[in-house]
Amino acid sequence: GQSLEQPSEVTAVEGAIVQINCTYQTSGFYGLSWYQQHDGGAPTFLSYNALDGLEETGRFSSFLSRSDSYGYLLLQELQMKDSASYFCAVSRGANNLFFGTGTRLTVIP
Amino acid sequence: EADIYQTPRYLVIGTGKKITLECSQTMGHDKMYWYQQDPGMELHLIHYSYGVNSTEKGDLSSESTVSRIRTEHFPLTLESARPSHTSQYLCASSESWGSTDTQYFGPGTRLTVL
Repeated sequence: GQSLEQPSEVTAVEGAIVQINCTYQTSGFYGLSWYQQHDGGAPTFLSYNALDGLEETGRFSSFLSRSDSYGYLLLQELQMKDSASYFCAVSRGANNLFFGTGTRLTVIP
Repeated sequence: EADIYQTPRYLVIGTGKKITLECSQTMGHDKMYWYQQDPGMELHLIHYSYGVNSTEKGDLSSESTVSRIRTEHFPLTLESARPSHTSQYLCASSESWGSTDTQYFGPGTRLTVL
């Protein structure tokens, strides 16, 4: 079977740093992706980790530990527009993704 | 910039009607996907295609069917809509050999079956 676990909700203050964790259990693992989805919108790609370590893209960073089946998304200098749902997704090969349940991030002033 | 389109954006229809949700992409991607997503919930893969004349069922069993006659077009059909089909349907595409497995999503079709 396959499963991905994320916290359902996270609240953080504008300007702060927040970390969203993702643990996975899957057969066939090629990498871990993160997607952002605003209410009523489509998911958009944020980052991808195929190898262990940290990937940085502007205010967003993503980390993967394959040995621990664990990854996280780090958002720095939070802005109000970062309020959205964040999904981790496991790549199972051939561009086939399995999505987690999503974490709803609320940024407060 | 991703160019993937879905029509209609919103559809309210009665039980028993046949519907087709359209999805088109202009990026020349071989791989296309359909996801079902209820409000505030995860995305469930219901169909995918690796190219023309290739279609596969996804993780979530669905009564819908798909076809892939042209690379850019991946319509989803429900022969007889039921209230349990009420959901958002998201179409996505990706490059065949991309290193990041990035999927580009359309804006979605929000379907309500009365």
